[in-house]
Amino acid sequence: GAGVSQSPSNKVTEKGKDVELRCDPISGHTALYWYRQRLGQGLEFLIYFQGNSAPDKSGLPSDRFSAERTGESVSTLTIQRTQQEDSAVYLCASSLDVGGNTEAFFGQGTRLTVV
Amino acid sequence: KQEVTQIPAALSVPEGENLVLNCSFTDSAIYNLQWFRQDPGKGLTSLLLIQSSQREQTSGRLNASLDKSSGRSTLYIAASQPGDSATYLCAVRGDTPLVFGKGTRLSVIA
Repeated sequence: GAGVSQSPSNKVTEKGKDVELRCDPISGHTALYWYRQRLGQGLEFLIYFQGNSAPDKSGLPSDRFSAERTGESVSTLTIQRTQQEDSAVYLCASSLDVGGNTEAFFGQGTRLTVV
Repeated sequence: KQEVTQIPAALSVPEGENLVLNCSFTDSAIYNLQWFRQDPGKGLTSLLLIQSSQREQTSGRLNASLDKSSGRSTLYIAASQPGDSATYLCAVRGDTPLVFGKGTRLSVIA
């Protein structure tokens, strides 16, 4: 696609429910990142996928958070048993990561509100 | 652990002024540094990427410099316009994924 696409753009969920957030990276991009941005705060790294390598999960805040990526395509971030503190904008980015070209391009984000 | 700091946190300038935003990082072993713009409620737009071997990059009224050895980058905006009002973020890429600063919130007053 022309850019990184995220869906849904907005999600309101009840505390305790599970949610799935989707990211479609730019075609051909081998690297994919997830970040969280709480209101008025900076970007918090969650997880990084690079090709067929094991993902870097060092930023996931708890075992309620998980993410998958099939090959070099779509990624899904899952939050189980959502809490109000999970309310934030979840941003996805992808980059080519070939030949030193690591410029990252971001989607518009999913705004998650846990009520 | 890589840490990125941006100064100032907020800046307000009159239209037409030239301005400089600062970014510093603690680990100089980086592959590149990228500057982004974020408008309220929106995602991030890539402005400039500087490879570790480069000293600067230019795009229109924007010029970014990199001094890897001292762990510093600056983003220079010439002849600022109200449309430049946004939060500007720098991020560094090394062996770890992109690490971001907290940003500088810029307001350009007409």
